[in-house]
Amino acid sequence: GQNIDQPTEMTATEGAIVQINCTYQTSGFNGLFWYQQHAGEAPTFLSYNVLDGLEEKGRFSSFLSRSKGYSYLLLKELQMKDSASYLCAGVDSNYQLIWGAGTKLIIKP
Amino acid sequence: GAVVSQHPSRVICKSGTSVKIECRSLDFQATTMFWYRQFPKQSLMLMATSNEGSKATYEQGVEKDKFLINHASLTLSTLTVTSAHPEDSSFYICSARGSGPDYEQYFGPGTRLTVT
Repeated sequence: GQNIDQPTEMTATEGAIVQINCTYQTSGFNGLFWYQQHAGEAPTFLSYNVLDGLEEKGRFSSFLSRSKGYSYLLLKELQMKDSASYLCAGVDSNYQLIWGAGTKLIIKP
Repeated sequence: GAVVSQHPSRVICKSGTSVKIECRSLDFQATTMFWYRQFPKQSLMLMATSNEGSKATYEQGVEKDKFLINHASLTLSTLTVTSAHPEDSSFYICSARGSGPDYEQYFGPGTRLTVT
């Protein structure tokens, strides 16, 4: 079966760094997305990885290891506005997104 | 960037009535649109996938006669919740994908449905 695993909830301090991990099992693999979703709003795109390695985009970076079926989203210099749910989604061989349950990130002052 | 709109953003209806939600891709042609439902504090649940001009593919457990999906053009898909019940109250989100190699889904802002 297909499965995306990520922690349910994480807590971090404003100004710090946090890493949100995601492991995936999909039928075929055509990349992995990270989305951010604030409460009551639709998800917004953060990153897409299809090759191994780290993709850096400002305060956010995303890493992928295809051999390990593993990805992480790294958030630096955390701000209060980063409090949100972070959704990991793998793209299977049919180019469908397989969604994780999301990680709720709580930022404390 | 690609923009997807949804209308209405909020709707309250009485039990037994039907509600139509529209999803539009404003600046690109969406060959595929997705409809999701999200209950409080839960992740997105894919309801159905629709391709322009063909019947929608529903996920297991989603009643196609209750959730009518029409994808009549490359920029518009509609979801009609028929004979709504309070348990249908949820956040309904559509997303759209173009025909290029980018598999990113562009999300609409969502529709909050409350059935009384």
